[in-house]
Amino acid sequence: ETGVTQSPTHLIKTRGQQVTLRCSSQSGHNTVSWYQQALGQGPQFIFQYYREEENGRGNFPPRFSGLQFPNYSSELNVNALELDDSALYLCASSLDSGQETQYFGPGTRLLVL
Amino acid sequence: GENVEQHPSTLSVQEGDSAVIKCTYSDSASNYFPWYKQELGKGPQLIIDIRSNVGEKKDQRIAVTLNKTAKHFSLHITETQPEDSAVYFCAASTASNNDMRFGAGTRLTVKP
Repeated sequence: ETGVTQSPTHLIKTRGQQVTLRCSSQSGHNTVSWYQQALGQGPQFIFQYYREEENGRGNFPPRFSGLQFPNYSSELNVNALELDDSALYLCASSLDSGQETQYFGPGTRLLVL
Repeated sequence: GENVEQHPSTLSVQEGDSAVIKCTYSDSASNYFPWYKQELGKGPQLIIDIRSNVGEKKDQRIAVTLNKTAKHFSLHITETQPEDSAVYFCAASTASNNDMRFGAGTRLTVKP
């Protein structure tokens, strides 16, 4: 186990709704990265938070937003959900930003109907 | 941006045989290459990684090789066991970019 936890484990939403996913990083880690993993594909980078600031973003629209808190836990918010947002959302924590080893949580499986 | 291709998409081996998974990358600035194992219902777990100043790295039955000139890297698993069955992902990133790019994955099945 990596010590990275995510909640909830599963979630069902309808198109147009908003969702908030949560991640607690491993103790001592100040960086959290979020990924979207569609079925049968590799994870795709959404964004990274380092010391409460966004520190890099992948090719995702602005309706994907995030936060990092002083204890380095993090939230991923998705507005105006679309059917294609159905996926496994993974967070990974690392000791620092840059090329530090990333440790993944178990993910939140989101289904948008 | 970086593009990572991974082959094969599925691999079936007999217990005790070796398994090799290959990845290529497009960005010559990439210098960090981790490999992850993902079991059903779990998040990816780092199994080994290599940085561009090293050509090969071993950890017990697992090894990774890197050819910077050809821009490809490979995962080698020897003496495979049924518990090695999982989906394996390669990834690549650069020092200036926190965007780690993953391959599409290889589903490895080890038959007892």
